[in-house]
Amino acid sequence: EVQLVESGGGLVQPGGSLRLSCAASGFTFSSHWMHWVRQAPGKGLLWVSRINSDGSTTNYADSVKGRFTISRDNAKNTLYLQMNSLRAEDTAVYYCARAVTGWIDYWGQGTLVTVSS
Amino acid sequence: QSVLTQPPSASGTPGQRVTISCSGSSSNIGSDYVYWYQQLPGTAPKLLIYRNNQRPSGVPDRFSGSKSGTSASLAISGLRSEDEADYYCAAWDDSLGGWVFGGGTKLTVL
Repeated sequence: EVQLVESGGGLVQPGGSLRLSCAASGFTFSSHWMHWVRQAPGKGLLWVSRINSDGSTTNYADSVKGRFTISRDNAKNTLYLQMNSLRAEDTAVYYCARAVTGWIDYWGQGTLVTVSS
Repeated sequence: QSVLTQPPSASGTPGQRVTISCSGSSSNIGSDYVYWYQQLPGTAPKLLIYRNNQRPSGVPDRFSGSKSGTSASLAISGLRSEDEADYYCAAWDDSLGGWVFGGGTKLTVL
């Protein structure tokens, strides 16, 4: 069974940093592209970033480019999202998601990030 | 504003057929596949339709997808109370170099 378990969310002050982790199991992690997608409270889904299977290629939404960094450790079956210079508008539930042949097929349960003073 | 446009709400009675539209442009729906996700209250999204009209195993055939030009639609037939959820369309956008989602449609079963 595919499992994606996010962690690392919490309350952080504007301008602060946070690193999210996503522990994957139930599939061959190193064979899949992985994504981060976020959802602000009461709002819709917003794609944040993706990384290819070996970590050599990454893409970011314009709203986080230069502030967020996606990475992965295939030996640990773990996906990361380093978030710097956080803003109030980054407040959201952050979902880790697996991609197969180009699209997202499984999502984790999400971790809440709150940016507030 | 979302890159893909969906109606904010839709509704129907049990047994009815409802459709949810998703409008995009030549850089997303017009040039790539469309995907649909269902998000039940308080849960993570779940893949409902991939590559315009394909259903993952386990998704009932009451759910169907279609695409024409720069628009797509999700149809749900034989509406059931458990279908009450938010539905999102998604596609890759060549111009933006990333995935784009619709704003979501909240489906209410009356």
